Amino acid sequence: DAGVIQSPRHEVTEMGQEVTLRCKPISGHNSLFWYRQTMMRGLELLIYFNNNVPIDDSGMPEDRFSAKMPNASFSTLKIQPSEPRDSAVYFCASSLGDRATDTQYFGPGTRLTVL
Amino acid sequence: AQSVTQPDIHITVSEGASLELRCNYSYGATPYLFWYVQSPGQGLQLLLKYFSGDTLVQGIKGFEAEFKRSQSSFNLRKPSVHWSDAAEYFCAVEGGRRALTFGSGTRLQVQP
Repeated sequence: DAGVIQSPRHEVTEMGQEVTLRCKPISGHNSLFWYRQTMMRGLELLIYFNNNVPIDDSGMPEDRFSAKMPNASFSTLKIQPSEPRDSAVYFCASSLGDRATDTQYFGPGTRLTVL
Repeated sequence: AQSVTQPDIHITVSEGASLELRCNYSYGATPYLFWYVQSPGQGLQLLLKYFSGDTLVQGIKGFEAEFKRSQSSFNLRKPSVHWSDAAEYFCAVEGGRRALTFGSGTRLQVQP
């Protein structure tokens, strides 16, 4: 099993540019999570999908952030326009089911730097 | 709302010594508790989890954790640390939203 795949692994962009982060969950998993990790705020959930439908997006910081899951094997997190304070490591995780007891498996993360 | 506190930001132990990483949680009901490890430049890997039953939970890589409801704690232990255990360790609680609420992490350094 390839695990959760994220791309790119590193992204450097300038303020105001659009950034798209990509995630491929583990095959057969029906829940997908986007987390952000910063020094100041630690790890925090941005949004959670179940069966491709957004269930909880209360962690999405503002309208500049959007996430989609067009099918069971692909999700994107888009920031437009990007700002320096968006610099962080963004993790995608997936789980087999929708129960609290279903383990979340994390990808390697995308390190985003906004100049 | 649930919260997790990891009081130790950084811990250094000698290789072969025992280890205990502290975790305290705040949650109104029975929590689901997790320990994850993050190696430099890597994602998070689940070490162990507690949902119910036996309060002493065994995980991978020789780690174990004990749930103590009276102390709202879920401390991680290992009897003998290896140099490869150097990493950052996160305690997390699942509080009903399916989202994991993480502690701030404890960075473990292992001295030869």
